[in-house]
Amino acid sequence: AQKVTQAQTEISVVEKEDVTLDCVYETRDTTYYLFWYKQPPSGELVFLIRRNSFDEQNEISGRYSWNFQKSTSSFNFTITASQVVDSAVYFCALSEARPSGGFQKLVFGTGTRLLVSP
Amino acid sequence: DTGVSQDPRHKITKRGQNVTFRCDPISEHNRLYWYRQTLGQGPEFLTYFQNEAQLEKSRLLSDRFSAERPKGSFSTLEIQRTEQGDSAMYLCASSPAGDHEQYFGPGTRLTVT
Repeated sequence: AQKVTQAQTEISVVEKEDVTLDCVYETRDTTYYLFWYKQPPSGELVFLIRRNSFDEQNEISGRYSWNFQKSTSSFNFTITASQVVDSAVYFCALSEARPSGGFQKLVFGTGTRLLVSP
Repeated sequence: DTGVSQDPRHKITKRGQNVTFRCDPISEHNRLYWYRQTLGQGPEFLTYFQNEAQLEKSRLLSDRFSAERPKGSFSTLEIQRTEQGDSAMYLCASSPAGDHEQYFGPGTRLTVT
């Protein structure tokens, strides 16, 4: 069975601090995808990144960066120089990757609430 | 191109009543998913459509729940004889064919009193 664990329930930082959100996953699949979504107070889940299990290269997008380590089954997310607008709940998710595409159920963690104060 | 839309955004109903939610996916997305999210939890998968065919259903989807996607475009999720435990945010997501991420709508928040 697939499982995603986000051990940090809530993190509070002051603006401009760097913050890392942890994600640990479990799966028996040899190929899979990992995702991060942001859920601001408005409630809509916003897609941030998708990673294929074959691609362990770290990725940077502006102030966001992701560290994928297959050896420790982790896919951590770092926000550099945090801003108040980063305040939201962040979810890590996992799905099986099927060669022909098709049904890909997302299995989510319980989320980490990030509070960035001015 | 508009995103996924859901209607209504909020629904308050009394226990025992039936409710129906609607989801309009991004146009040309042939895959549609329903998820349920309770307070403090991540979304949980309910059901999946590819075009008009409902191909996957979670065990969470009891007999009181039914979903349709009659013409492969919009989808409806109906809950019959609502119970207080049905109170949650119901999220719809869509994706195009192939390996793609899912795009979520704003959700319908259901409160059963």
